[in-house]
Amino acid sequence: DADVTQTPRNRITKTGKRIMLECSQTKGHDRMYWYRQDPGLGLRLIYYSFDVKDINKGEISDGYSVSRQAQAKFSLSLESAIPNQTALYFCATSDSQLAGGQGQYFGPGTRLTVT
Amino acid sequence: AQSVTQPDIHITVSEGASLELRCNYSYGATPYLFWYVQSPGQGLQLLLKYFSGDTLVQGIKGFEAEFKRSQSSFNLRKPSVHWSDAAEYFCAAWGGSARQLTFGSGTQLTVLP
Repeated sequence: DADVTQTPRNRITKTGKRIMLECSQTKGHDRMYWYRQDPGLGLRLIYYSFDVKDINKGEISDGYSVSRQAQAKFSLSLESAIPNQTALYFCATSDSQLAGGQGQYFGPGTRLTVT
Repeated sequence: AQSVTQPDIHITVSEGASLELRCNYSYGATPYLFWYVQSPGQGLQLLLKYFSGDTLVQGIKGFEAEFKRSQSSFNLRKPSVHWSDAAEYFCAAWGGSARQLTFGSGTQLTVLP
């Protein structure tokens, strides 16, 4: 079984719709992250959470919100989707007990298309 | 500002040839450094990491990377590339005032038969 799972894997939605992307992990990590990937731009951080009560904005948080329902679950919402939010979205986790997080572990991604 | 630069957007090599992917970082102090690989339709997989100590680090899939402080570089190498290595490669860094991982823009690797 995958350590970091994302649902849905693919989603097409219309402009103005609300959409939620979900992430679950079984690694026991306390830190979780949401990134978006656009061609030629690498990965950019949207939000990150160091524990259930510690949520922080990343580089590109406008138009997004998150919820950390439990240590293992971290959801990303687009309140009113717009076409330039079409991208590949990744969830990641890391362990604060390890220096520098020892790197982050990524889910398989959600491909979101906003028409 | 802290940044990671991968100067090569796309590299093409023949199968069996050697490979070097470049990565430069700009941080006040040496950050933790990582290389990730993303195969088509997949998430990112950690190839290797550098924290301190030996400047040549070994990773999975036969990859290695060399940290050079004087050049602020962390280049990824492989002696003999296989067709299955075709993917996008990302260099990343963690450190300084940011509590987050900063990624380069990626290098797309094509392997010719």
